[in-house]
This record gives sequence, structure tokens and C-alpha cells, in this order.
Amino acid sequence: EAEVAQSPRYKITEKSQAVAFWCDPISGHATLYWYRQILGQGPELLVQFQDESVVDDSQLPKDRFSAERLKGVDSTLKIQPAELGDSAMYLCASSSREGKTNEQFFGPGTRLTVL
Amino acid sequence: GENVEQHPSTLSVQEGDSAVIKCTYSDSASNYFPWYKQELGKRPQLIIDIRSNVGEKKDQRIAVTLNKTAKHFSLHITETQPEDSAVYFCAAARIRQAGTALIFGKGTTLSVSS
Repeated sequence: EAEVAQSPRYKITEKSQAVAFWCDPISGHATLYWYRQILGQGPELLVQFQDESVVDDSQLPKDRFSAERLKGVDSTLKIQPAELGDSAMYLCASSSREGKTNEQFFGPGTRLTVL
Repeated sequence: GENVEQHPSTLSVQEGDSAVIKCTYSDSASNYFPWYKQELGKRPQLIIDIRSNVGEKKDQRIAVTLNKTAKHFSLHITETQPEDSAVYFCAAARIRQAGTALIFGKGTTLSVSS
């Protein structure tokens, strides 16, 4: 069964450093989401893409976060510079606009620790 | 914007008992309500979802009910088993052409003891 892939699975960095996360959605899924999940809380949307276009980035801290999906397939989320408060799980999800389902399929996540 | 409240934050039941988790939402335009299960260290997985044109949906031991007037929806798990132990998240969203961004509740940690 096809799954959303993410890498790396774990990342430890020092504050003020740059980090990047990669996501490969399920093949053919036009919509891609990046969520941040702080320990003990539910995921919070950071950015949503439809193909290569940003649909919603209203919750993305644009002074330090950037996201791209240049060819409308895989995506990269970058943080520069990282801050202590960025420590969290970063989840990528994808969904298809075909059919009647709205299900979002999540990747395994990247756990970021900022020291 | 949408806000989703989820209760309780923790729930402990004996194997075989029923478990109920409740959520309320604020945006009356929301029309899609999924429930996700997240086991420790694993990705969230959809267990059941409901659209606003339906009041109840059932899948084996799991059911979801929706009250649009009161803006609340609930997850019901019957005959609980130890493998049901996990964190459960409710979410609400508006279905849009460009995708369906989910607003999640804070989660309920369900513990089923045998």
C-alpha cells in the first residue's frame, strides 16, 4: 500500500541553525499539507499546497519558515534559524482530489529537537 | 477561524466497556469531521469520518454521531480491547476544491486495561 514518505525521521540541531525536512506524498495526490505537532497536542496546519501552488500559509511563521513544492510532487519545509520553541513533530500529509474521499494520509513525521 | 474542543483529555476503561469522546466546533460552515488514532511513535491514521449531511456513521465497533445544531460530534467505541489504547484526535474542516485543511482537537489518551 502506498504511503507518504518523510525524511529525516529525527533531527537534532542547535538553535540558530538551519534545518530542512522532505516529504514525498502518495503518487497522484494533488494536495499536500505540512502540520506541526507539539508534544501532547493535536497537529496544527502550517501550509497547504494544491499541486505546486500554496493554498494556505496563514499559520506559517514566514520570518523563519519556508516551504516549496516546485514540481507539484515532493515538498521541502525549511526553518532558518531554528529556535528552541520549534522542537516538535513535523507531519506531512497528502490527499487526492479524485473520488468522494477527503481522507488525508499522514507520513511518519520528522521529530525535531532544537538544543 | 475554526476552533475544536475535545474532552476528556484522558480516559481509562476496562476491556469490554464502551468509550465515548466528545468534540465541539465553532465554525458552522465546517462540513467534514474525521477521527484519527495515533499510537505511540506512529503516524495518525483515519479510523472513521462523517460529513455534515449524515447524522451517524458506524463501522464495526466504532461509531460517530454528529449534531449540527449543537455543533458537536462524538466517537463511540464499543467492546474496547487493549489494542484500542492510543491517542484519538477529532478534527473539523470545510471541504474545498483545493483541499481540506483539518483543525484538530488536543487529543484524548485512551487506556484500555485487561
